[in-house]
Amino acid sequence: EIVLTQSPGTLSLSPGERATLSCRASQTVPSSYVAWYQQKPGQAPRLLIYGASIRATGIPDRISGSGSGTDFTLTISRLEPEDFAVYYCQQYESSPPYTFGQGTKLEIK
Amino acid sequence: QLQLRESGPGLVKPSETLSLTCTISGGSFTSSSYYWGWIRQPPGKGLEWIGSIYYTGNTYYNPSLKSRLTISVDKSMNQFSLKLSSVTAADTAVYYCARPSPPGSYYYYMDVWGRGTTVTVTS
Repeated sequence: EIVLTQSPGTLSLSPGERATLSCRASQTVPSSYVAWYQQKPGQAPRLLIYGASIRATGIPDRISGSGSGTDFTLTISRLEPEDFAVYYCQQYESSPPYTFGQGTKLEIK
Repeated sequence: QLQLRESGPGLVKPSETLSLTCTISGGSFTSSSYYWGWIRQPPGKGLEWIGSIYYTGNTYYNPSLKSRLTISVDKSMNQFSLKLSSVTAADTAVYYCARPSPPGSYYYYMDVWGRGTTVTVTS
């Protein structure tokens, strides 16, 4: 089973700053199998990025994804108040399909 | 606009069977190549994929839950259901239904989610 490790566990930043969230896989993962989600308290996860770098419908261009192999990154270039949430990376493999990282909490400093 | 909505009991006793249903609206359950899935999130923890089903009944289960899990479809009702037997406190979680990419896809992600329903296992 491929394990996804996200870092940092918590990131404290101010609106307007740049956020860089990391997701490291225990084995090489095809970039097309990597997605990122945002989850706010009491809400379902929301798809942000798929294919490691493709923004989902309606996602602003200040949010971007990159990476390959075992290292993937979610970047938010200029934090808006609505960006403070928990972020999860996800990968797909044959068994079990769809595993998630443990999450990074992005909080207001 | 496609919407998913979970329903079912919020409380289940230990050793009993947890049963949830996801109702699909705003789209056809059978007209696309999508699978339909369940994901859960224990309190204060991360996400765990439970299993997925195609409208034909073809299923994929998380190996860690497979022995206790049944996912089924009711095409006439635009619904799919989850049954998890012999539950313990460790099965307490928010349960989400979602639309994951099917096997054989190039990209893998879940683009539509229900709002989730909380299930607590308690005597």
